[in-house]
Amino acid sequence: GQNIDQPTEMTATEGAIVQINCTYQTSGFNGLFWYQQHAGEAPTFLSYNVLDGLEEKGRFSSFLSRSKGYSYLLLKELQMKDSASYLCAVRAGNYGQNFVFGPGTRLSVLP
Amino acid sequence: DADVTQTPRNRITKTGKRIMLECSQTKGHDRMYWYRQDPGLGLRLIYYSFDVKDINKGEISDGYSVSRQAQAKFSLSLESAIPNQTALYFCATSVRTSGQETQYFGPGTRLLVL
Repeated sequence: GQNIDQPTEMTATEGAIVQINCTYQTSGFNGLFWYQQHAGEAPTFLSYNVLDGLEEKGRFSSFLSRSKGYSYLLLKELQMKDSASYLCAVRAGNYGQNFVFGPGTRLSVLP
Repeated sequence: DADVTQTPRNRITKTGKRIMLECSQTKGHDRMYWYRQDPGLGLRLIYYSFDVKDINKGEISDGYSVSRQAQAKFSLSLESAIPNQTALYFCATSVRTSGQETQYFGPGTRLLVL
């Protein structure tokens, strides 16, 4: 079966750093994605990891450990506009044909 | 970024009606997807297509059908709508370049089945 776990909710303070974890168990692995989704809007792509290690993009970084089935999204210098849901997704299947999404983590950034 | 559009943006229909949700993209991506999103369940894949002649079932295809009329168009049909198909539906495209893959979502269609 396919399973992706994320914390349901997190709260952090403006200017702080927050780490959102994602663990996965899938049949096949062809990459892990992070998306940001504001309420009522479409998800927007943040990052893609297919090899182990850290990918950095400005205030956002994403880490992957394939042997542990684990990833995290690191958000630095939090801003109020970062309040959103963060979705972890895995491209799974023998040929990478399937996208499996986690339930999302709702992040609230407080002043 | 890919320009992915969906029509209609909102739709109210009655149980048993047939409806079609349209998706178009202007960036020439081969891969297209249909998802539904329900509160607490995340996004679930309904169908996907890697090319015009390629159609594949996703996790929750029962009660749905799709048509890939052209590279740019991927339509989702509910042959006989039922209330538990009330959800937010997203179309998406993806492209792989230099080992990186990026997925782009349309704005979504809110469907209410009464």
